[in-house]
Amino acid sequence: GAGVSQSPRYKVAKRGQDVALRCDPISGHVSLFWYQQALGQGPEFLTYFQNEAQLDKSGLPSDRFFAERPEGSVSTLKIQRTQQEDSAVYLCASSYGAHQSSYNSPLHFGNGTRLTVT
Amino acid sequence: AQTVTQSQPEMSVQEAETVTLSCTYDTSESNYYLFWYKQPPSRQMILVIRQEAYKQQNATENRFSVNFQKAAKSFSLKISDSQLGDTAMYFCAFIPFTGGGNKLTFGTGTQLKVEL
Repeated sequence: GAGVSQSPRYKVAKRGQDVALRCDPISGHVSLFWYQQALGQGPEFLTYFQNEAQLDKSGLPSDRFFAERPEGSVSTLKIQRTQQEDSAVYLCASSYGAHQSSYNSPLHFGNGTRLTVT
Repeated sequence: AQTVTQSQPEMSVQEAETVTLSCTYDTSESNYYLFWYKQPPSRQMILVIRQEAYKQQNATENRFSVNFQKAAKSFSLKISDSQLGDTAMYFCAFIPFTGGGNKLTFGTGTQLKVEL
């Protein structure tokens, strides 16, 4: 596709509900990242995939957060039993290379999903 | 652990003027990359400019340039000839070259408003 696509753009969930956020990266991009951006803050790293392998999940805040990328393309971030502190914008990014900091492999971000937990 | 500090929550500038956004960082790494990202209301993070720490020369991209002071761990962004479309949130970000380089560390951002 032309860019990284995320859906839904907005999601309102009642506390305790499960949610699933989708990311469709640019075709052919090897690396995929999820970031969480709380209101008034910079994005914070959640997890990283290289193709279908989840190589780093150190940023996931709790075991209620789960991410997958089973075929190495589309990724889903799932949050179980949502809490109010989960309210944030969830950004997905992809890059062609396997090493994000490569000068020739910049990150392409999607427009994010704004999750509000009431 | 790395930290990135942006001490200016908000700034404003007149159209066609020049503005400088500040960023400092703390790291024990010797080689790393620094970035400035722009986030308009659409929420999409857009790369503005990037700098490799081992390069002495300051990066420049059209109206955007940086002042990279490695010893001082400072990485400021200068926007020349400001345009209304430059109005956005600007984030400074850091990534080490070692350890896979997969985690960007962002600052808290500076909201820039370009006024007529």
